[in-house]
Amino acid sequence: SYVLTQTPSVSLAPGQTAMITCEGNNIGTKSVHWYQQKPGQAPVLVVFNDADRPSGIPERFSGSNSGNTATLIITRVEAGDEADYYCQVWDSSRDHQFWAFGGGTNLAVL
Amino acid sequence: QVQLVESGGGVVQPGRSLRLSCTASGFSFNKYAMHWVRQAPGKGLEWVGLISYHGVNKFYADSVKGRFTISRDNSNDTLYLQMSGLTTEDTAFYYCATDYGYNCGDHWGQGTLVTVSS
Repeated sequence: SYVLTQTPSVSLAPGQTAMITCEGNNIGTKSVHWYQQKPGQAPVLVVFNDADRPSGIPERFSGSNSGNTATLIITRVEAGDEADYYCQVWDSSRDHQFWAFGGGTNLAVL
Repeated sequence: QVQLVESGGGVVQPGRSLRLSCTASGFSFNKYAMHWVRQAPGKGLEWVGLISYHGVNKFYADSVKGRFTISRDNSNDTLYLQMSGLTTEDTAFYYCATDYGYNCGDHWGQGTLVTVSS
């Protein structure tokens, strides 16, 4: 298995920059994906392959990945960004492959 | 647009079986791998398993290996999750998700709730 560790919660005021981290052993060698999940809704992909954005995702969402830490960056945070955020990687061995998820970070916009 | 609709959830007794379905539309279902992911109420996301585009290759999380089976019917654009030997630990929302080749969940269904309880 591959363990991903996220800070459980982050609180920010509107307009600030959120930096949500995801730690894993040599995670910089993997592609990291990020999901936003609002209460009662399914997850939505907001960043894939470390820093790419799916169509329809605002430019305020970006990412970085190096060493043992990947980071989801949300600039000019808005009330509508309040959600749980999960990082995810794909990993494989000789006869197995799987997705690993971080435990999630709750972003509160005060 | 892409739409994934899960169905088949409900309340089931421990030890029983249940089959979930995920009906896809809006994309070429037979070209892409598909995943099942679950989420216990109030908890994080847990990957359950994946099936390749042609249905030949399947991989499962250790927590469900030997009890759950993923299959697909490309002629009807439908993904399945056959669950047996259910325990209370399997209580969760179950989501299906597309994988267009970047090894991530590009699109997700709305989820279906499975409750294992006596």
